[in-house]
Amino acid sequence: SQTIHQWPATLVQPVGSPLSLECTVEGTSNPNLYWYRQAAGRGLQLLFYSVGIGQISSEVPQNLSASRPQDRQFILSSKKLLLSDSGFYLCAWNKGQGGYGYTFGSGTRLTVV
Amino acid sequence: GENVEQHPSTLSVQEGDSAVIKCTYSDSASNYFPWYKQELGKRPQLIIDIRSNVGEKKDQRIAVTLNKTAKHFSLHITETQPEDSAVYFCAAPAEAGTALIFGKGTTLSVSS
Repeated sequence: SQTIHQWPATLVQPVGSPLSLECTVEGTSNPNLYWYRQAAGRGLQLLFYSVGIGQISSEVPQNLSASRPQDRQFILSSKKLLLSDSGFYLCAWNKGQGGYGYTFGSGTRLTVV
Repeated sequence: GENVEQHPSTLSVQEGDSAVIKCTYSDSASNYFPWYKQELGKRPQLIIDIRSNVGEKKDQRIAVTLNKTAKHFSLHITETQPEDSAVYFCAAPAEAGTALIFGKGTTLSVSS
């Protein structure tokens, strides 16, 4: 069966520090991978998605970036965090060209101080 | 691109009542409409979905209806229970049909 791992679970970082969040999927090949952010009490904002190694689509221009160095690995990064980057970051995967529900990772709660 | 509007933002019902949450979408080419439930501090989980070739789908106390002409779909929960209390999100595929665009969520509170 397929599983998705996301870490760390919580993170407190100072403003201006770098960020690296990792997500991996097991039990499948060539998944579509996604990063979403959820601000406190708010909806799910699509940040990046990837349909293959090295293929990244950005939905929101900001100081975040994403990379997919391996088929089942998706990394969210920032060189310098802002206070507004605080939130609940969720990685998700699915198969196929739309039409299939996501499975979300357990999320990373990021607090920028 | 796709735009998904969700109403209401909050919904309070008594245990045993029904709850209905409605979403509208903008892209007439969208063909897949999932609903997610998110409990406090946890990840969203898929509870039901519907494809554009079907008008209604049921799973025990949960049902989803789709009106393609009007471009809206709804989540219906019957005989609500306190454990149904959560935030519910609807979604539709973005242009090009890969990523999902989510509504802003509905906080459902079921009081006993």
